[in-house]
Parts: sequence; structure tokens; C-alpha cells
Amino acid sequence: GAVVSQHPSRVICKSGTSVKIECRSLDFQATTMFWYRQFPKQSLMLMATSNEGSKATYEQGVEKDKFLINHASLTLSTLTVTSAHPEDSSFYICSARESSGGATDTQYFGPGTRLTVL
Amino acid sequence: QKEVEQNSGPLSVPEGAIASLNCTYSDRGSQSFFWYRQYSGKSPELIMSIYSNGDKEDGRFTAQLNKASQYVSLLIRDSQPSDSATYLCAVKRGGNKLTFGTGTQLKVEL
Repeated sequence: GAVVSQHPSRVICKSGTSVKIECRSLDFQATTMFWYRQFPKQSLMLMATSNEGSKATYEQGVEKDKFLINHASLTLSTLTVTSAHPEDSSFYICSARESSGGATDTQYFGPGTRLTVL
Repeated sequence: QKEVEQNSGPLSVPEGAIASLNCTYSDRGSQSFFWYRQYSGKSPELIMSIYSNGDKEDGRFTAQLNKASQYVSLLIRDSQPSDSATYLCAVKRGGNKLTFGTGTQLKVEL
């Protein structure tokens, strides 16, 4: 099956610093990648949809200037949490869509990045 | 009304029994339906996808879809302790984003 990687798997940072998370599709080209956030005992919440070569589309309530997304190639998208604060501590998960976006395409998830802001 | 609803559980079943997980959705235009399994501290893993009314079987897993009732279910036969996880139902309209339910926690007891 399709494989998606994320790096780092875990990061601890001080309040006010920025953290970059990478998401890579290893064996397929992903024109679209998605970034989710999951708080403990809650479901996945979509933050933004990232399309290769264009600006990301953010969900309502997600600050685009705080969560910078770059989808520079068909296999790499990055999420940068700028000026992180403790309330940004969460499990960040990316997913990649394998095909062109029809009804039967499937999203494959990366292993997630656990962010802790002190 | 939530877009995708699941009973949070926990649903407890004895080892070897059939586990039945249910999900309802509100958007009648939904075309694609997915079940993901998520172990604690891990990311979701795709178990099944279903697009047409009826049943779809894959090993011990059977997904059932009833678009008229806006209902999708997942049956796990011969449940094993390793099946203990949270099961997320997700639906999609066309090529758009997935909408997830809050998940049902399944516990398979020895």
C-alpha cells in the first residue's frame, strides 16, 4: 500500500519558537495533502488542504499565519507552527491522496507528530 | 446534528465474538465511506472503504452501507485482543475532504 512518512515523530519546544513538520509520500505522487490535528480523546480535525504548487486552503478557525503550509513538490508538504504556545500541543497528522481526487480515491495517513510546547 | 455520528463506547466483546460498529451521516450527497482503525498514540490506518449499497467483505471485516438510511457499519468477526482500538468512520462527498466521526472504542476481552 501507499506509504506516507512524517518527521519528526516527536518534538518538544519552548513557547515562542517555531516548529516545522515534514510529510512525504514515499511511493506515490500526492497532488493533495491534508493536515489534521487531534487532541486527546478527540477525533481528527482537518486544519488545511495542501495542493502542490498553490496556496493551502484552511478550515474555518485555523489561523493561516500561525500554521504555515508549503506543498513544494508532489511528494513533500510541510507544516510550520509559528510562535508555538502550550495550547498548540497536540498530535499533528498528515495524509496524502493517491489519485486525482475522485470519489473512490483514498487518503493514506502518516504516523503523526507529537508536539509538546513547554 | 453532527455530520458523522458514532457511539463513543467503549464497546466490549469477548474474544472470538462478532463486533458490530455503527455510524450514521447527515449529508445525503456523501459518496465514499471509510473505516479507519486507530491505536492509542498512533495515526489512523485504513481498514475498509465502501462506495455502493450492500456488503463488502475483506477477511474478518465486513462493511455494510445503506445510503437510504444514511448508515454504514463495520463487522469484525472472530474478534481478537489485537482488534482493541478506536474505530473511526469517515465519509466523503465527491473529491472533497474526509469528515470523521469521533470514533468508537472497541475492547476485545480475553
